[in-house]
Amino acid sequence: EVQLLESGGGLVQPGGSLRLSCAASGFTFTIYGMSWVRQAPGKGLEWVSAISGSGTDIHYADSVKGRFTISRDNSKKTLYLQMNSLRVEDTARYYCAKDVGLRDDGYPYNFWDPWGQGTLVTVSS
Amino acid sequence: EVVLTQSPATLSLSPGERATLSCRASQSVTRYLAWYQQKPGQAPRLLIYDTSNRATGIPARFSGSGSGTDFTLTISSLEPEDFALYYCQQRSDWPLTFGGGTKVEIK
Repeated sequence: EVQLLESGGGLVQPGGSLRLSCAASGFTFTIYGMSWVRQAPGKGLEWVSAISGSGTDIHYADSVKGRFTISRDNSKKTLYLQMNSLRVEDTARYYCAKDVGLRDDGYPYNFWDPWGQGTLVTVSS
Repeated sequence: EVVLTQSPATLSLSPGERATLSCRASQSVTRYLAWYQQKPGQAPRLLIYDTSNRATGIPARFSGSGSGTDFTLTISSLEPEDFALYYCQQRSDWPLTFGGGTKVEIK
């Protein structure tokens, strides 16, 4: 059974930093692209960042580019999101999500199944 | 960026009825569109990807269609567990984007 367990959320002041982790199990982690998606309280879904299975292909939403860094440690089957210069508007539940698979061209689909239960990040003074 | 507009915002239906949800893209996403279901307090769940492919374990009452800029998620006969929020998402271009969601509520 695929499991994704996020951790590292919490309360942080504006300008502060947090590092989120997502421990994966139940699948061959190195094959699958992974993403972080967030959801502000009572709001819709916003994609944050994606990383390929090898870690060589990385993309960010404009809203976090230059402040957040996605990475993965395939030996530990863990996905990370380093969040710096946090803003009030970064307050959200952050989900890690596993890609559906690989397309015929070898790239991730960038659709996700399943998702973890999320970790809550609150940025407030 | 590709803006996805979902309609209606809320759909009020009874169990057993057919639900038709729409997702319109600001530019063509060819067929690179997915649908997710989210229930209160839960993570989203993938229903459909690349317009019409059902994800693992998704019942056949869920189907997707469309291409280019106009897409539809159809639930042929609503079950009690289908009342939830539904989001569309495109992977045609970066940044990846979601629609604002359609809430399917019990009438």
